[in-house]
Amino acid sequence: DTGVSQDPRHKITKRGQNVTFRCDPISEHNRLYWYRQTLGQGPEFLTYFQNEAQLEKSRLLSDRFSAERPKGSFSTLEIQRTEQGDSAMYLCASGDRAYNEQFFGPGTRLTVL
Amino acid sequence: SQQGEEDPQALSIQEGENATMNCSYKTSINNLQWYRQNSGRGLVHLILIRSNEREKHSGRLRVTLDTSKKSSSLLITASRAADTASYFCATGSNTGGFKTIFGAGTRLFVKA
Repeated sequence: DTGVSQDPRHKITKRGQNVTFRCDPISEHNRLYWYRQTLGQGPEFLTYFQNEAQLEKSRLLSDRFSAERPKGSFSTLEIQRTEQGDSAMYLCASGDRAYNEQFFGPGTRLTVL
Repeated sequence: SQQGEEDPQALSIQEGENATMNCSYKTSINNLQWYRQNSGRGLVHLILIRSNEREKHSGRLRVTLDTSKKSSSLLITASRAADTASYFCATGSNTGGFKTIFGAGTRLFVKA
C-alpha cells in the first residue's frame, strides 16, 4: 500500500496522559499536514511541514501539542496532558509541491476518558 | 473558524437524480478543492479548480467557481447509492504554507 498511513487507528487514554501519533506520508511527497476533525465538522488545520521544516501552526495547536518531522519523512504528533476536549479524529495528509491536492490517511481516533 | 461554508448542510435524493452542493468562502484564494468522506474514513480528493478557472469536469462531477461571488458549486450527475458521503470544499491560498481551510461539509444521502 503506497498511500498515507497512520498509527494507531484508535487510541483510548485517560485524562492527563500523553499520547503520540505517527503518520507515514506518500514517500515522494515533501508536504505533510495534520488536521483535527470532530463529529459533524470539517477538518481543522493544525500544522504543516515542508520537508523537515514546520512552516505553519494553527492557533488551535496549544502548548500541549507538538509535531515533528525529523528526517522529512514520517511525522509524529504528541499531545501532552490530554483533556477530554482533545477527543477527535486526527488526520494526516501529504502532498506534492506542484499541486495543492492532498492525500489523506485513515486517521487516528482519540478518545480521552 | 472555517472559511468554507457548504450549503445545504444535508441533502437526500433518489438514485439517478443530480445533486448540487454549494460552497462560499471569505478571502481570496489560489484554488478550491472538493473532497469526499465516507463515514468514519479519511478524505478522498475529488477535484481541484484554480482561481483562474471557471468550470471543471471529472467523470460525473462538474465544479464551477465564481471568484467575484466567492462561491463554488459541485454537481454530481446520475447519483448512485455509493455517492452517499460527506462532501467538503477546501480553499487554498498561497500564503507560503498553502494552508487549506475546510468547510463543515454537506451530508449527501442517495436512496436506492
